[in-house]
Amino acid sequence: EIVLTQSPGTLSLSPGEGATLSCRASQSVSSSYLAWYQQKPGQAPRLLIYGTSIRATGIPDRFSGSGSGTDFTLTISRLEPEDFGVYSCQQYGRTPRTFGQGTKVEVK
Amino acid sequence: QVQLLESGPGLLKPSQTLSLMCTVSGGSMSSGSYHWSWIRQPAGKGLEWIGHISNSGSANYNPSLNSRVTISVDTSKNQFSLNLSSVTATDTAVYYCAAARGRFDYWGQGTLVTVSS
Repeated sequence: EIVLTQSPGTLSLSPGEGATLSCRASQSVSSSYLAWYQQKPGQAPRLLIYGTSIRATGIPDRFSGSGSGTDFTLTISRLEPEDFGVYSCQQYGRTPRTFGQGTKVEVK
Repeated sequence: QVQLLESGPGLLKPSQTLSLMCTVSGGSMSSGSYHWSWIRQPAGKGLEWIGHISNSGSANYNPSLNSRVTISVDTSKNQFSLNLSSVTATDTAVYYCAAARGRFDYWGQGTLVTVSS
């Protein structure tokens, strides 16, 4: 199974600041089958990015993804109030599908 | 737009079988190329993929749960279901159904299942 490790565990930032979230895989993720999700309390996750860098429908361009192999990054250029929450990465190159443990982006 | 809704008991006793249903709307399950998936999330923890099934009925399960899980699909009713046998307190979680093309494009709202004696 591919283990995904996200860092940092928590990011404390102010609206308007940029955020950089990391996701490291225990094995290479084939064909860049890496996705990112945003989750707010009491809600289901929402797909943000798939294929490492492709924004899902309706996702603003302040969200961007990059990386390859075992190292992936989600960047939020300027945090809006609605961007605070938990972000999880997921690989879908192999089964079992696996998720990172999440990075919480909180208001400083 | 695909919409999904989970249903089923919210409280179980240890050793019972968890049975959940997911109803799909917004189009026929048969017309898409999705894998119909189940994912769970214990309180305050990360997401765990349970398994998925295709429209043809081919299923794939997480090895950590493999011996206890069955996912089935009824495309005529636009529904798919999850059975998890011999539950314990560690199976307490919010259970989500989702439509996936590798990544999880659409999610249900989730349903809390608690296992307690």
